[in-house]
Amino acid sequence: KNEVEQSPQNLTAQEGEFITINCSYSVGISALHWLQQHPGGGIVSLFMLSSGKKKHGRLIATINIQEKHSSLHITASHPRDSAVYICAALPHNFGNEKLTFGTGTRLTIIP
Amino acid sequence: NAGVTQTPKFQVLKTGQSMTLQCAQDMNHNSMYWYRQDPGMGLRLIYYSASEGTTDKGEVPNGYNVSRLNKREFSLRLESAAPSQTSVYFCATSGRTYEQYFGPGTRLTVT
Repeated sequence: KNEVEQSPQNLTAQEGEFITINCSYSVGISALHWLQQHPGGGIVSLFMLSSGKKKHGRLIATINIQEKHSSLHITASHPRDSAVYICAALPHNFGNEKLTFGTGTRLTIIP
Repeated sequence: NAGVTQTPKFQVLKTGQSMTLQCAQDMNHNSMYWYRQDPGMGLRLIYYSASEGTTDKGEVPNGYNVSRLNKREFSLRLESAAPSQTSVYFCATSGRTYEQYFGPGTRLTVT
């Protein structure tokens, strides 16, 4: 069993829909990283959060440390949001910077 | 600022050949990483360097060597390439916040 699990693995939605991608982890963490990868493209950091909520444009990330769960939301989704979204856990050990990655959620937004 | 750069972008090798993937960053980050990404497997850490002069093995180090030449540069060497090393390779860096920034990737095919 992976230490970081994402759901769903694949998600197809219509333009304008509200999107939620989930990430659960079994290890103790100090922060959680959300990344975006466009098809054939590089990997971009979206958020790093250790508590509460962060917002950037139409993207919102939340984390519940007690429940070991984080969500990434996209409001008013657009075809350009089509990408693979990856969550990664930063372990609790101070000074250990090695992330544990989920396998990603492939999001497709249909016009 | 270029951020994180990688060369080459694409490479085809024959089994047994050697090559070095180069990574450079201008973000003044201490930590640098090499990952490989394979379909369905997510990102896996090959090697990691917490600072100039130090390197650490990651999850899949066999068949690879690394050099942290200075604070800016971290290279990955395949001494005798094998088809199992066909993959997309990403370099990343992180600073005080542990948020990771990725290079554009190198697509390597070993025939």
